[in-house]
Amino acid sequence: GQNIDQPTEMTATEGAIVQINCTYQTSGFNGLFWYQQHAGEAPTFLSYNVLDGLEEKGRFSSFLSRSKGYSYLLLKELQMKDSASYLCAAEKGAAGNKLTFGGGTRVLVKP
Amino acid sequence: NAGVMQNPRHLVRRRGQEARLRCSPMKGHSHVYWYRQLPEEGLKFMVYLQKENIIDESGMPKERFSAEFPKEGPSILRIQQVVRGDSAAYFCASSPPGGTGSYEQYFGPGTRLTVT
Repeated sequence: GQNIDQPTEMTATEGAIVQINCTYQTSGFNGLFWYQQHAGEAPTFLSYNVLDGLEEKGRFSSFLSRSKGYSYLLLKELQMKDSASYLCAAEKGAAGNKLTFGGGTRVLVKP
Repeated sequence: NAGVMQNPRHLVRRRGQEARLRCSPMKGHSHVYWYRQLPEEGLKFMVYLQKENIIDESGMPKERFSAEFPKEGPSILRIQQVVRGDSAAYFCASSPPGGTGSYEQYFGPGTRLTVT
């Protein structure tokens, strides 16, 4: 079976940092994706981790610990446009396989 | 350099009618995935297809739902005899041919199905 858990909602102030945690229990785990989804729109790719450690990409960073079944997405210097849902998704199996998504974390950035 | 295309963007059907949702993957992509998203919920995997083959349909309801990805033309998700519970956003994603490593799935804009 597969289980992906992430908080439902988080609120932060413009310019601050927010960390969104994601825990997973997935047999045949291959890698971990983070997507951003604005209301009524398609998810857009943010990051992909397959090895343990931190991947930094501008204001966004993602971390993975395979032994702990844990990942986080770090958003720095928050901007109002970062208000969106952030989806954690575990990839199972070989390349090009299905993603199992968590319920998403709605982040609200306040001025 | 068109992305993943889905049509229609919005579809309204009465209970009992059929819904056909189309997805054209990005150029060069041969893997197609369908996901369903209910209001205020995460995306749920439905089916994974390659040209003329269903690779994994473990997320498809056993009845009324079918999917295909023919040699020519778009992938089609077909829902027969729709019910109110089928109302959701249906997203299609595509990825390039597999090799070593994994590939990002690129999502289309979705089709919002409303069953009245």
